[in-house]
Amino acid sequence: QQQVKQSPQSLIVQKGGISIINCAYENTAFDYFPWYQQFPGKGPALLIAIRPDVSEKKEGRFTISFNKSAKQFSLHIMDSQPGDSATYFCAAKAAGNKLTFGGGTRVLVKP
Amino acid sequence: KAGVTQTPRYLIKTRGQQVTLSCSPISGHRSVSWYQQTPGQGLQFLFEYFSETQRNKGNFPGRFSGRQFSNSRSEMNVSTLELGDSALYLCASSGDSTQETQYFGPGTRLLVL
Repeated sequence: QQQVKQSPQSLIVQKGGISIINCAYENTAFDYFPWYQQFPGKGPALLIAIRPDVSEKKEGRFTISFNKSAKQFSLHIMDSQPGDSATYFCAAKAAGNKLTFGGGTRVLVKP
Repeated sequence: KAGVTQTPRYLIKTRGQQVTLSCSPISGHRSVSWYQQTPGQGLQFLFEYFSETQRNKGNFPGRFSGRQFSNSRSEMNVSTLELGDSALYLCASSGDSTQETQYFGPGTRLLVL
């Protein structure tokens, strides 16, 4: 019940395009949903996070959409740039509990 | 503030040996979590320490252990290494009251031969 499922495993997008990554969860106790970005040779870095009482959160070119009834959330990268090429992880956490990560999505932005 | 530091960055061991990895959290952070990252299993939670006490533990065998010192620095130990223990071991620290925002170090890449 702690599982977070992420898709797709990889995606290729042209510069200027929109990258969309989806995650689904089962545990309704999750109340914090962050997204992390990881470059090769580096640890993951927090990109943006959302709570279930908000349906959308935007920070620059990155937007999280959250659907509580469907138990799904997604990351949209607008105007994708080659520098956005990285692996993205969604995660979920319940209060007092561990952070559970999705399987990751490798994004390649072609110039 | 300096970020999370992990030492060593790379390590090669042989099966049956043991290894100790070190993590220094961001100054003032009292929570330290450890994760194992592999291509096949992704990021898997090992354990979390807060003020020298283990608060959460993942589904790893007893060969994996950790501890936290009074200065919040943490170590993890893997005994009787197996080939499958080859992975990137990541440490993350958190300083907020909910321990939600986690700051990751660069990791220690362990290769078991």
